Amino acid sequence: GDSVTQMEGPVTLSEEAFLTINCTYTATGYPSLFWYVQYPGEGLQLLLKATKADDKGSNKGFEATYRKETTSFHLEKGSVQVSDSAVYFCAPHGYGQNFVFGPGTRLSVLP
Amino acid sequence: DVKVTQSSRYLVKRTGEKVFLECVQDMDHENMFWYRQDPGLGLRLIYFSYDVKMKEKGDIPEGYSVSREKKERFSLILESASTNQTSMYLCASSSGSSYNSPLHFGNGTRLTVT
Repeated sequence: GDSVTQMEGPVTLSEEAFLTINCTYTATGYPSLFWYVQYPGEGLQLLLKATKADDKGSNKGFEATYRKETTSFHLEKGSVQVSDSAVYFCAPHGYGQNFVFGPGTRLSVLP
Repeated sequence: DVKVTQSSRYLVKRTGEKVFLECVQDMDHENMFWYRQDPGLGLRLIYFSYDVKMKEKGDIPEGYSVSREKKERFSLILESASTNQTSMYLCASSSGSSYNSPLHFGNGTRLTVT
């Protein structure tokens, strides 16, 4: 079945550092790709998505590009803030399939 | 904005009790889901529903059942709670059949079974 691999962390960065969270997936067909974020004490919320190869999703300074050839969707941000501390989930979603979630990557940003 | 509301943020129940977790969404979404979230395991799908009175098993349905009598409401039932069902439970909804549609989550119910 479909699956996703991402670093579990925790990832600890200083404020204004560059962030990369790697995500690779296996899926049948041509999935849409999503990043979700979970702030402390809350449910998950959509951060960004991309629906076809070479599309770039972006939101709140975060970006991720759909790389079909490497089946990857790495999340990046040029300058993280303390308020970005959260757990980040990569989730492919294929046609006729349910979302697949990895274990999430916990990010801690220190002032 | 879509709002998915879970009736309780925290619940403490005893082993063997019947437990009801309620979820309501206000955007007329066809699809509703129940997940549990455990450290190191991510989100695992328990049950889902694509329409009223329809239900499908997810990856870990054992020990759970669901009810969807109205489009906006999706209930998760633990018939006889056990300690290994202590977890965070997340309800989600989405619209239509497009796989481009994102999931919208509630804030979760943290259930402790003692």
